Amino acid sequence: DAKTTQPPSMDCAEGRAANLPCNHSTISGNEYVYWYRQIHSQGPQYIIHGLKNNETNEMASLIITEDRKSSTLILPHATLRDTAVYYCIVRSGFNDYKLSFGAGTTVTVRA
Amino acid sequence: DTGVSQNPRHKITKRGQNVTFRCDPISEHNRLYWYRQTLGQGPEFLTYFQNEAQLEKSRLLSDRFSAERPKGSFSTLEIQRTEQGDSAMYLCASSSLAGNYNEQFFGPGTRLTVL
Repeated sequence: DAKTTQPPSMDCAEGRAANLPCNHSTISGNEYVYWYRQIHSQGPQYIIHGLKNNETNEMASLIITEDRKSSTLILPHATLRDTAVYYCIVRSGFNDYKLSFGAGTTVTVRA
Repeated sequence: DTGVSQNPRHKITKRGQNVTFRCDPISEHNRLYWYRQTLGQGPEFLTYFQNEAQLEKSRLLSDRFSAERPKGSFSTLEIQRTEQGDSAMYLCASSSLAGNYNEQFFGPGTRLTVL
């Protein structure tokens, strides 16, 4: 019962912005959008999360559409170290302790 | 290093043997999670502890699997009578009840190969 849809892969040029889309058309009002990434041979790493407002931190920006049915993770200046699988996850916040990962988007940053 | 640690990092065993993995969470994190990840797939939730109480087990966790967190600190995951289908990366994560987003911090995983 996948709650999110992501493209399987995308390439990005080093130094350019990487825009990763995610569809979550069945999201409910109390569900947050989370992004994690997994670099090869490592455990997943939290990137950012949001409910309905756009969010920005030192790693990325998260843009959520007004109807909340889709979002975009933006890596402003991609580096080779950003090559990873990126997972978009919908969960209901504090009391929804499980992370339900899909297959994610494999992002390859090329020099 | 104050992150989540897992031991061993790699385990090769023969079918039918028992194996045990250990996870040491970030100190003071009272929530601990186990996930399993097979090649090309995202991690799948297995079980979750709050302090020493195991609050949920996925149906993926057959009766050959058992997890414990005896003093609310480290946790162990045991697989009895291993099968080739158990070959996977076993990931542990921890989180704190403090904060408003319940970020999970993952360890590097234990890669199990069942021959």
